[in-house]
Amino acid sequence: ETGVTQSPTHLIKTRGQQVTLRCSSQSGHNTVSWYQQALGQGPQFIFQYYREEENGRGNFPPRFSGLQFPNYSSELNVNALELDDSALYLCASSFSGGYGYTFGSGTRLTVV
Amino acid sequence: RKEVEQDPGPFNVPEGATVAFNCTYSNSASQSFFWYRQDCRKEPKLLMSVYSSGNEDGRFTAQLNRASQYISLLIRDSKLSDSATYLCVVNLAGGTSYGKLTFGQGTILTVHP
Repeated sequence: ETGVTQSPTHLIKTRGQQVTLRCSSQSGHNTVSWYQQALGQGPQFIFQYYREEENGRGNFPPRFSGLQFPNYSSELNVNALELDDSALYLCASSFSGGYGYTFGSGTRLTVV
Repeated sequence: RKEVEQDPGPFNVPEGATVAFNCTYSNSASQSFFWYRQDCRKEPKLLMSVYSSGNEDGRFTAQLNRASQYISLLIRDSKLSDSATYLCVVNLAGGTSYGKLTFGQGTILTVHP
């Protein structure tokens, strides 16, 4: 059974650019959630995808968007990057949004 | 008020000590509760779920008080390997919040020889 994999592991972008982060969910999981973790803080919920549709969103602006594909993998897209977007981005998968979340090891994004 | 608040820490304890972490949550509709552990620059990993009756897993004991909206974690006989950040996590109920995990800020624990 494979776990949750995220790519890339590290990324440096310039303010104003766009970025796409990728996540492959654990086998058998159909729900993917994305979290942003700033340094010294707990993860903050960005949004969740279930059956290829967004079914929950945290307090993040529209420039944060996502997709879920038929194989349940997912992308997080961030447009017009700001310095404050620098953080660890975590993907978590689960079955139907219930218990048993599995987190990927994250993508560390630095915006300069 | 933050949805989930934890002791600010950090906690610095000797091996063998007992240490307790506290957490409060603001939404009384919260349905499930967890403690996660996060090692430096790694992803959070589930340490244990927390049940109203209280539950124990080896040296770890978790308690939930729904009336006070309070969660605790007790670690007995601390080991060097317990050094990590401990995150209090709440799962809100229903609607579009289904599946959303709300994390506290985290409390850093350092166990020293």
